[in-house]
Amino acid sequence: NAGVTQTPKFQVLKTGQSMTLQCAQDMNHEYMSWYRQDPGMGLRLIHYSVGAGITDQGEVPNGYNVSRSTTEDFPLRLLSAAPSQTSVYFCASSGQGALQNIQYFGAGTRLSVL
Amino acid sequence: AQSVTQPDIHITVSEGASLELRCNYSYGATPYLFWYVQSPGQGLQLLLKYFSGDTLVQGIKGFEAEFKRSQSSFNLRKPSVHWSDAAEYFCAVGAQDTGNQFYFGTGTSLTVIP
Repeated sequence: NAGVTQTPKFQVLKTGQSMTLQCAQDMNHEYMSWYRQDPGMGLRLIHYSVGAGITDQGEVPNGYNVSRSTTEDFPLRLLSAAPSQTSVYFCASSGQGALQNIQYFGAGTRLSVL
Repeated sequence: AQSVTQPDIHITVSEGASLELRCNYSYGATPYLFWYVQSPGQGLQLLLKYFSGDTLVQGIKGFEAEFKRSQSSFNLRKPSVHWSDAAEYFCAVGAQDTGNQFYFGTGTSLTVIP
């Protein structure tokens, strides 16, 4: 099972560049989320989606955009990268009902902004 | 507001010794509680979860955790640690009425010495 797939695994950007972090899941999960992980900060929620066409902000949304045109995909866009966005980014998905709150994580994207 | 506290940033134990990782949460309603493990360079893997019922829950890799409502705690334990248990451990809290808005602790890094 593929589960949650994130691409790329590593990325280096210059300040001001834009890019999209891809996230895809093949479990037909309604819920998808993006987190960033920084040393000593744990995981912080950036944006999340409760279904196709529906997105909402998490704890640290500034500088990031998301969209959810399909159930499977939930890309995260950095419109103008800043050094403060250097981090490890994780995408997660979770299903309905009793499984709603069990999240499955991708392997992460390690982003450096110079 | 929901929050999760992991008081121990780093713990070192000898192989074969017992382990307890602390987690305290703050949440107004009945929480869903989780422990995740992250090996270096990897994503997060669910160790165990508590939704309701028996307050002592068993997880994978020989881990268990006990939910104590009176202490707002959900400590993770293992009777005998193996060298392969060295990793970062995260406690998380969520609730059915928050969709997939999870709140993570800052993590506890476990070192296992031979």
